[in-house]
Amino acid sequence: AQSVTQLDSHVSVSEGTPVLLRCNYSSSYSPSLFWYVQHPNKGLQLLLKYTSAATLVKGINGFEAEFKKSETSFHLTKPSAHMSDAAEYFCVVSDYSSASKIIFGSGTRLSIRP
Amino acid sequence: EAQVTQNPRYLITVTGKKLTVTCSQNMNHEYMSWYRQDPGLGLRQIYYSMNVEVTDKGDVPEGYKVSRKEKRNFPLILESPSPNQTSLYFCASSPQGARRFTEAFFGQGTRLTVV
Repeated sequence: AQSVTQLDSHVSVSEGTPVLLRCNYSSSYSPSLFWYVQHPNKGLQLLLKYTSAATLVKGINGFEAEFKKSETSFHLTKPSAHMSDAAEYFCVVSDYSSASKIIFGSGTRLSIRP
Repeated sequence: EAQVTQNPRYLITVTGKKLTVTCSQNMNHEYMSWYRQDPGLGLRQIYYSMNVEVTDKGDVPEGYKVSRKEKRNFPLILESPSPNQTSLYFCASSPQGARRFTEAFFGQGTRLTVV
């Protein structure tokens, strides 16, 4: 069975400092992993995705994530936070055994301090 | 412009009054899905459809119905809404044709309040 755990419900960083949003997954087979971002009162936008190609994935707005099979993790990082990064971030998993099942994490709210 | 369109964006209704939330996509995607978003729970899948006339239950289907008569449309029906269905709803579509999920495109959301 597949599942995804976002380890922090809220992360607060200062503008210009690094961002780390943590995600661990459980999957029976080779998973596809995604990060989505939701700005206030907006829909969801795809930040980046891993689908069994390169383990270090680069996304939009300077975000990247690294797939680590041994640690079952897919943490999202950004070297320098910007005020516009304040939003809710969702880690998502889908694996080959159940392609119709797309599991969302509970979300991490990212706040940026001036 | 490629998009998923939900209507209405906001809806306040009373318990027991049937309602439909429409979802339409213009990308010719086979896969469509409905989610509800509740604080601290992320997004939970209600129903999904792999193609026309093919629908199946997600994780929280109770109290909801769907239909997929055309490829572009996937309405969500609440026959007898109850207050515990107050939530933010998202429709999504995906070009998934094979078994692997690639990416989902989301609508803007429908905020439903049942009083």
